[in-house]
Amino acid sequence: ETGVTQSPTHLIKTRGQQVTLRCSSQSGHNTVSWYQQALGQGPQFIFQYYREEENGRGNFPPRFSGLQFPNYSSELNVNALELDDSALYLCASSPSGPNEKLFFGSGTQLSVL
Amino acid sequence: GQQLNQSPQSMFIQEGEDVSMNCTSSSIFNTWLWYKQDPGEGPVLLIALYKAGELTSNGRLTAQFGITRKDSFLNISASIPSDVGIYFCAGNGGADGLTFGKGTHLIIQP
Repeated sequence: ETGVTQSPTHLIKTRGQQVTLRCSSQSGHNTVSWYQQALGQGPQFIFQYYREEENGRGNFPPRFSGLQFPNYSSELNVNALELDDSALYLCASSPSGPNEKLFFGSGTQLSVL
Repeated sequence: GQQLNQSPQSMFIQEGEDVSMNCTSSSIFNTWLWYKQDPGEGPVLLIALYKAGELTSNGRLTAQFGITRKDSFLNISASIPSDVGIYFCAGNGGADGLTFGKGTHLIIQP
């Protein structure tokens, strides 16, 4: 139990739609990162937020966007969904500043049809 | 971009055997981490390594940060059924977040 909670656990969308995924970080953690994990692959870094500011971004297009709120919870938004966006989306929090060891939630399984 | 090569891809072992897996990188990392992922769950941190040459243990698990800072290994001694899962190495790429390997699937035969 990492104390990181994500919602929803599963989601089905159709191509072209928009989706919002939510994450509550562990108490006391001020950094949140999002990762995409395709089937059979390791997680791939999307972006990271530290004190409500984006603080690093992986190789993902602008239709992947995020927010971090004053209570350090976070959202991941994906616009214009594509079939290849089907994956497990993982949120992770860390205790102090960027690049610390991460504590992951159980993820949101997104299926795009 | 940075890539991690993790091997072996999968391992079939008998309960009680020792396990060894490793990870190599084309780039230097300042931090190496090892995670375990069970089906339907997110990765769980097992060991974090912060210094080149560092050897760290967590129960039956031992991991080392390579001297060149481009590799790391994880050993599991006396495997038990609950060790089954996917093990990932990850390197800290700074502002690029963590770079993960593709994982080692550990399967234990009773």
